[in-house]
Amino acid sequence: AQSVTQLGSHVSVSEGALVLLRCNYSSSVPPYLFWYVQYPNQGLQLLLKYTSAATLVKGINGFEAEFKKSETSFHLTKPSAHMSDAAEYFCAVTPFGNEKLTFGTGTRLTIIP
Amino acid sequence: DVKVTQSSRYLVKRTGEKVFLECVQDMDHENMFWYRQDPGLGLRLIYFSYDVKMKEKGDIPEGYSVSREKKERFSLILESASTNQTSMYLCASMKGGRVTGELFFGEGSRLTVL
Repeated sequence: AQSVTQLGSHVSVSEGALVLLRCNYSSSVPPYLFWYVQYPNQGLQLLLKYTSAATLVKGINGFEAEFKKSETSFHLTKPSAHMSDAAEYFCAVTPFGNEKLTFGTGTRLTIIP
Repeated sequence: DVKVTQSSRYLVKRTGEKVFLECVQDMDHENMFWYRQDPGLGLRLIYFSYDVKMKEKGDIPEGYSVSREKKERFSLILESASTNQTSMYLCASMKGGRVTGELFFGEGSRLTVL
């Protein structure tokens, strides 16, 4: 069975500072990994995905994530936080060939002016 | 603009009532999903459907059923609502075939059971 663990249910960073949201995965087979974002009162939307091609994945709004098999990690980063980045972020995993995604518990990102 | 539409944003129901949550997608996607979102628990899969009239249990199907009579519509049914089903319900769709993992979500239906 696959699972993801998101360390830190709440993260606060200053505007302009580095954003780092942590995700570790567990999967018995090569995984597909995803980051989704949920803005207030909205559904989730895809930020980026890893599907066994390049290990450094770039997404929308300046976010990127690096797949590290040795660390079973897929952390999300952004060099400089903007106020508009305030949202909840979810990491998700699915084994190759399986449509069902398993989500983490989410990390709420707050940006301090 | 692709869209997943959930019929009700907010519902208030009483214990024991039958509740229908409707979801429609306009992307001709084969796969549709119902998730439940609770603080500190993330999203948990209730049911999903990979074709018309097909359904598969997710991680927390107890107390729920689903119906998919048409490709674009996927309904979640609470036969007898209970207070522990108070939650945010999210519908999503995904194109079939080669897995991309890109779920398209509706805006959610917040259900309160009194």
